[in-house]
Amino acid sequence: DVKVTQSSRYLVKRTGEKVFLECVQDMDHENMFWYRQDPGLGLRLIYFSYDVKMKEKGDIPEGYSVSREKKERFSLILESASTNQTSMYLCASRDPGRGAFFGQGTRLTVV
Amino acid sequence: AQSVTQLDSHVSVSEGTPVLLRCNYSSSYSPSLFWYVQHPNKGLQLLLKYTSAATLVKGINGFEAEFKKSETSFHLTKPSAHMSDAAEYFCVVSNAGGSSYGKLTFGQGTILTVHP
Repeated sequence: DVKVTQSSRYLVKRTGEKVFLECVQDMDHENMFWYRQDPGLGLRLIYFSYDVKMKEKGDIPEGYSVSREKKERFSLILESASTNQTSMYLCASRDPGRGAFFGQGTRLTVV
Repeated sequence: AQSVTQLDSHVSVSEGTPVLLRCNYSSSYSPSLFWYVQHPNKGLQLLLKYTSAATLVKGINGFEAEFKKSETSFHLTKPSAHMSDAAEYFCVVSNAGGSSYGKLTFGQGTILTVHP
């Protein structure tokens, strides 16, 4: 089975902190994604990556950056955390034409 | 550009009655379409997918969806609801080409409630 692993299930950070969310997949997928999930808004795409060192902005990239130095790992970075970034963050990986596999999510609270 | 609209934010049915969750999409290229389910405090699970083969797609747990290009719809159905079907359902579109190739766009979600 494909496994997508997010490093933390729950995180609490202070406003202004730099936050790293890590995601690792074990199926050699080319595409990886970061979404945030908020009630009533569904999942909104923050960033995605086609391949190593390749990244593209999604629908809501402001306040975020990403890093993909190795194919299996895709990191989401909050440069300076703010309270409006409190959310559930979901990482996914897939091959084009197939459904995506999701991690269990990281619930981030910024205080 | 691609987008997806789930027409109902909440659907409530009685156990044993049919389920219909509605989804309309827009896409500049031949789309792939998916339905995902998320149970409370659980991760997202793929229910079914359409990728330009048969227009009627069967998924897990008795769900199916029909791709209708003329109506730009991909509604999810199940003949008889079970209590365990209570969850949030997401319709998803992905383009086969263009600048958004491979990108998944999610609908806002439909919460399905099943009454005994």
